[in-house]
Parts: sequence; C-alpha cells; structure tokens
Amino acid sequence: DAEITQSPRHKITETGRQVTLACHQTWNHNNMFWYRQDLGHGLRLIHYSYGVHDTNKGEVSDGYSVSRSNTEDLPLTLESAASSQTSVYFCASSDGAQETQYFGPGTRLLVL
Amino acid sequence: QKEVEQNSGPLSVPEGAIASLNCTYSDRGSQSFFWYRQYSGKSPELIMSIYSNGDKEDGRFTAQLNKASQYVSLLIRDSQPSDSATYLCAFFNYGQNFVFGPGTRLSVLP
Repeated sequence: DAEITQSPRHKITETGRQVTLACHQTWNHNNMFWYRQDLGHGLRLIHYSYGVHDTNKGEVSDGYSVSRSNTEDLPLTLESAASSQTSVYFCASSDGAQETQYFGPGTRLLVL
Repeated sequence: QKEVEQNSGPLSVPEGAIASLNCTYSDRGSQSFFWYRQYSGKSPELIMSIYSNGDKEDGRFTAQLNKASQYVSLLIRDSQPSDSATYLCAFFNYGQNFVFGPGTRLSVLP
C-alpha cells in the first residue's frame, strides 16, 4: 500500500545544530508539504513543492529549507536549530493542488 | 482578521447525540473545503471534502457548505466515544495553498 513516512519520529537536539527531517511518500504525488503544529496555532505551512526541483516558501519558512531532487522525498532542514522550533512537524502529500492532503505520522522535535 | 475560525472547545456531547462543529473563513475566493480528524498524538486524517454549496453526507458525517455566508460545518450523528478528537477545518485557494483552522476538541461522553 502507498504511504507517507517520516523519520526520525522523535528528535532531541541542541540550539545551533543543523537538523534534517526526512519525508518519503510512495503515492507518486507531485505535491508535498511541510507543516508545524503548535498549541494555539494549529497547522502552519513551512514549505511546499509542486514537483521535482520546485520549492516554495510558506507562512513560517524562516530558519527552514527544503530541496526536491525526486518525486518521493522532501527533506526539511533546520539550518541552525532554535528553541522556538520545538514543535511537531508533519509532512503531507497530494495528487493535485486542491486535492486532499495525506499526512505522515509526524516528527516531535525538541530543541534544548 | 483570522483566516479560519473555529470554536476551540472542548465541545462535549453525550453518546448517541449529534455533534455540530462549525468553521468560518474569511477568503471569499476559497474553492475547496475539508474536514480532518486528529486524535491526540496522531496525524490529521481526512473525513470529508466538499466543493459545492449544500450538504454532503458520508455515513454518520454530514458536511454543510454555505459560500455566501463563508461557513462550513460538520455534523456527526449518533456520536460515539471513538469520535472524541480534534476536528480541523481547512480550505484551499489558489495562491494561498491550504489554510487550516486551529481545530475544535470534541469529547463524546459515554
């Protein structure tokens, strides 16, 4: 069955370190998204991609970067982790821009 | 002005009752609307999508959309304790991508 996976599921890191969160989908979807979810803010879009080599900034992109070298993967990099980036991160994919988004299981990141 | 507003709850209903969840949005250009359910510690999962004004039914769930009033709702009939979760509404508008509401916590009491 097609699925979307994220790794690691839990991560503890220190302020200033570079961190990369992986997202892999086997749906063959063109569109992939990264969100963070915090109490009181709901899901906020960080970056998204509509295809290979396409990346776009979302609502809260500062301090984050993504690259899309193939259809299946959209890794999210925190260039220099900050305590404000402690959150739950969800990756999602969809077949079309306004189509249903399917979410991965999430990564809980703690920045100390 | 917030783009999507939902009552944060918690909304408590007795088992077997109808739960009514509401969502208002500010962007009149919105074209697609979605309801997601999220259990504690889990990822959001789609319940229903709705694109046209009116009602859409799927089992115990009914989504209602009124674009003129910028309002979308979700009714859950015969509520079960397993329906206890946070319900997120979302809409899509070209140029803005998906926008999610903050969610409403629903508690169904046995």
